[in-house]
Amino acid sequence: GQNIDQPTEMTATEGAIVQINCTYQTSGFNGLFWYQQHAGEAPTFLSYNVLDGLEEKGRFSSFLSRSKGYSYLLLKELQMKDSASYLCALMDSNYQLIWGAGTKLIIKP
Amino acid sequence: IAGITQAPTSQILAAGRRMTLRCTQDMRHNAMYWYRQDLGLGLRLIHYSNTAGTTGKGEVPDGYSVSRANTDDFPLTLASAVPSQTSVYFCASSEGAGGQIGEQFFGPGTRLTVL
Repeated sequence: GQNIDQPTEMTATEGAIVQINCTYQTSGFNGLFWYQQHAGEAPTFLSYNVLDGLEEKGRFSSFLSRSKGYSYLLLKELQMKDSASYLCALMDSNYQLIWGAGTKLIIKP
Repeated sequence: IAGITQAPTSQILAAGRRMTLRCTQDMRHNAMYWYRQDLGLGLRLIHYSNTAGTTGKGEVPDGYSVSRANTDDFPLTLASAVPSQTSVYFCASSEGAGGQIGEQFFGPGTRLTVL
């Protein structure tokens, strides 16, 4: 079966850097997605990793290690608008997304 | 229409009633999905469709049915609603079913309360 773990909640300070971890166990792997979801809104795509390494997109970066079943999302120069939930999702062998419960990120001034 | 829309935005429903949640996309995406999102749980797949004319069961299909008569529309029906179906329902679509093209675009959601 599949299992995805990510912290329930994290707190960080405006202007700082935060790393949100995601660990997974799966029998089939076709990539890992990160989504952002503001309260009361729909999830929106942030990043996709299928090979090991770091993908950088402006203030956001995502890292994947397939051998360790591990990914992280790195957010730099935090802004108040980054307060949201961050969802880790694994694409399984059937090309379906299996979702983590999400990490609620609270940004303090 | 730009992207993916859902209707209604919210609904309060008596237990035992039948309800159809509507979803329409204008991106000509092949694949569409229905999820429910409950507090403390990840998005859970109810049903999906990889292309018009085909549908499949997700993780939590019981009590729900779908149809995919054309590319754009993917309605979700609750035949006889129960309180445990109280949730936020998201429809999503993707260009295809794998890899980067599996990136899913989400509608705004329907908040359903079954009393």
